[in-house]
Formats: sequence, C-alpha cells, structure tokens
Amino acid sequence: EVKLVESGGGLVQPGGSLRLSCATSGFTFTDYYMSWVRQPPGKALEWLGFIRNKANGYTTEYSASVKGRFTISRDNSQSILYLQMNTLRAEDSATYYCARVNWDDYAMDYWGQGTSVTVSS
Amino acid sequence: DIVLTQSPASLAVSLGQRATISCRASESVDSYGNSFMHWYQQKPGQPPKLLIYRASNLESGIPARFSGSGSRTDFTLTINPVEADDVATYYCQQSNEDPPTFGGGTKLEIK
Repeated sequence: EVKLVESGGGLVQPGGSLRLSCATSGFTFTDYYMSWVRQPPGKALEWLGFIRNKANGYTTEYSASVKGRFTISRDNSQSILYLQMNTLRAEDSATYYCARVNWDDYAMDYWGQGTSVTVSS
Repeated sequence: DIVLTQSPASLAVSLGQRATISCRASESVDSYGNSFMHWYQQKPGQPPKLLIYRASNLESGIPARFSGSGSRTDFTLTINPVEADDVATYYCQQSNEDPPTFGGGTKLEIK
C-alpha cells in the first residue's frame, strides 16, 4: 500500500524557516518524481515544485512564486521527501501536500494528508 | 504558464442527475497523441484524489459514474448520476508543459 505522511508544519514568524518532511512507503521511491503542492485556506491548489527520479538525476523544478526561497530534496535511503522553506511570508500560510508523480503522464496519483503552516507574528 | 479556467465555480445538482464541469486551457495540452489533462476530487478536510488521467482514463477504484472528455484546450468532467458522496471541489490540472498548473476549482453541492 502506497503511503505518504507529511510532518513538520506549525507556526513560524515572518522571515523564518521551516522544513517539511514527507515519509513514504509502499513503492520504489527512487523510481518516481515527487511533488509539493500547497493550498491556502479556502483557495485552490498551487504546485510548488518537484524533484525528478533517479533516472533523471534527481534534478528539481520550482514555481516562480517560491524559486530561490524553497528547496526540495530527498533522502533516497529512507524514502523521505523534504521541503526546506526560507524567508517565509504571510502568504505562504497553507496546507502543504506531498504527492507522487505518475511516470506515464505526470499526474499526481498519491497524496499525503497534508501539514499546516501558519506564518504570523 | 498555461492558465486553466474552470466553469462554473460552483454548481448544485439534484441526486441522480448529471453534473458537468468544464476546464479550458490557455493553450493546447496535447502532445504525442495524448491530452495531458487530469481531474482531481477534494472532499472537505481531505487531500485531493486523482479521478481521471490523460483526459479520459478512469483511475483505478474510481466509479464509472465519473468520466472525462476533451482535447487540446477544452475538457469536461461529467458525473452521472450524482450521488451524495460526490459533494466536493473538483480541480483540473495540466502536465503537458512546466510548470504544472491547476484550475481554480469547481464546488459541487447537492440541490
């Protein structure tokens, strides 16, 4: 059974940093791209970035809204995905989801339950 | 970036009737004979769930009441017949071009 479990969310002050984790199981982690998606309260989904699989060198891509502030990485020995978030702003407050990316068509076929981040003083 | 515009933003449908949700892309999401458009269902307090991939393919375990159609820039998600469990917000998403983008969502309620 495929499982994704996010952790690391919480309350952080503007300008602060936070690292989210996504522990995965039930599939060969290194075979898949992995994405981060966020959703502000009551708003739509926003793709933040992904990290490619082993065959594609674990390279990364980011949305313009977080490029330079957020970094996606992965620990392939433990099947964990990370999102390092720096210089946080109030508008980064959201539920953050990790998702597995299907290799055939890049749909996001499994999602975690999400972890909530609030940026406020 | 490819902009996805969903309509309507919300709709109310009677149980047993048909619900139709539209997603229009600002440019074609077709490549290599496939349409890289996907649909997700998100119930309140839950993560999104993949319903339809590549415009018309039903994800495993999803009831046949859900169907998708369309190509290039115009896509439709149909739920027929609507059941009470279908109350949710539905999102389209394209993966033809980076960055992947989502539509603004359509909230389905029961009339």
